Parts: sequence; C-alpha cells; structure tokens
Amino acid sequence: DGGITQSPKYLFRKEGQNVTLSCEQNLNHDAMYWYRQDPGQGLRLIYYSQIVNDFQKGDIAEGYSVSREKKESFPLTVTSAQKNPTAFYLCASSRRPWAAQGAYQPQHFGDGTRLSIL
Amino acid sequence: SQQGEEDPQALSIQEGENATMNCSYKTSINNLQWYRQNSGRGLVHLILIRSNEREKHSGRLRVTLDTSKKSSSLLITASRAADTASYFCATDPPLFQGAQKLVFGQGTRLTINP
Repeated sequence: DGGITQSPKYLFRKEGQNVTLSCEQNLNHDAMYWYRQDPGQGLRLIYYSQIVNDFQKGDIAEGYSVSREKKESFPLTVTSAQKNPTAFYLCASSRRPWAAQGAYQPQHFGDGTRLSIL
Repeated sequence: SQQGEEDPQALSIQEGENATMNCSYKTSINNLQWYRQNSGRGLVHLILIRSNEREKHSGRLRVTLDTSKKSSSLLITASRAADTASYFCATDPPLFQGAQKLVFGQGTRLTINP
C-alpha cells in the first residue's frame, strides 16, 4: 500500500544537538511538506518542496533545515538554533496542483514524530 | 498565520446524534478542505469544497460553504464512537509560486460517548 512513513515515532534531543526526522513516501507525489503541531493547536508550515532539489521556507522555518535530493524523501533537521523544539512534527505529500488543471490536491500525512528535549 | 478558526473548540455528544462543526476564515479562498486527526496520528483528508460550490456530501459527511460570510460547516450524521477525533479546516490562498500552502485552524475536538 502506498503511503508516507515517518521515523522515528519518538525522538529526544539534547541541548546543542541537531536531530534529523525522516520522511519517505511511495505515492509518487512531487510536493512534500513539513508541519509543526503544538498541543491543542493547528498545523504550522515549516518547509515545503514542489520538486526534487527545490524547497521553500514556510511560516516558521527558523531553526530548521531540509533537503530534497530524491523524490521519495524529504528529511527535516531540527538544529540547535531552534530553542523550543518540543512538538509533534508531521510530514505530508501531494500531487502538484497544476497536475490537475490547477486544482488543489488533498495532502496525505504520515503518523508524525514526537520530539522532546532532554 | 492561522486563517481558519473552528467553533466549538470541543464538542461532546452521544452516539447516534449529529455533530456540527464550524470554520470561519478571513481572506478569499480557492478551496476549503476538512481533515480528521485521531489522537497521536497524522491527518486524514475528508472532503474538499471549491469556492464556487455551496454544499458537498460524502457518506455521512455534509460540508457547506458560504463565501459571503467566509464560513464553512461540517456535519457528521449518525455519529459513531470511531468518529472521536479532532477535525480541522484548511484554507488555501491563491497558489503561491505554484505551490499549495494550506492554512489550518486550531481544530474542534469531537468526543462521541457510547
């Protein structure tokens, strides 16, 4: 079955440490997204990528970095510059909107990584 | 920035009753989507309604959109225990450099009591 796999499910970060969250999809989607969700809140966009080797900052990119070397993979690194990293991180993918006459496409989500600081 | 705001923040009803959740937004949109999130899981897409549509159905779900009031509602009929989840509306500004940037509300936590 096609889907999005995020790993690990739980992650702990020590002060001053960078950590990388994995996101892999086998849906053949061009677009991928990273969101942050704080308790009782909605999702905020960190980074997004429309195509391989291209990515753009979202609303809260400071303290985060990404890469998109393969269509299937969009890892997120939480750097030591992110002072409040404790949150639930969600990865999503979708077909490109213009692939269907400009119509927006539903986003498919992984089951998230819960990051805490030690 | 969060554009969509759901109301109520929490809703608790008996199994078999109908559940109605509302979403208000601030700026013009192309489409509005509703997602469900079970506790500790990712979001699941439920339904998309375009700005030129007023009502849409999918199984036990009914979504309405009133662009003049900048509001949408999600109705779940004949609720079941499995409907217990958080429900989010997501709006979209015009395509941003060809990308889709959804803006999510804070969600409604729905509890169905057996």
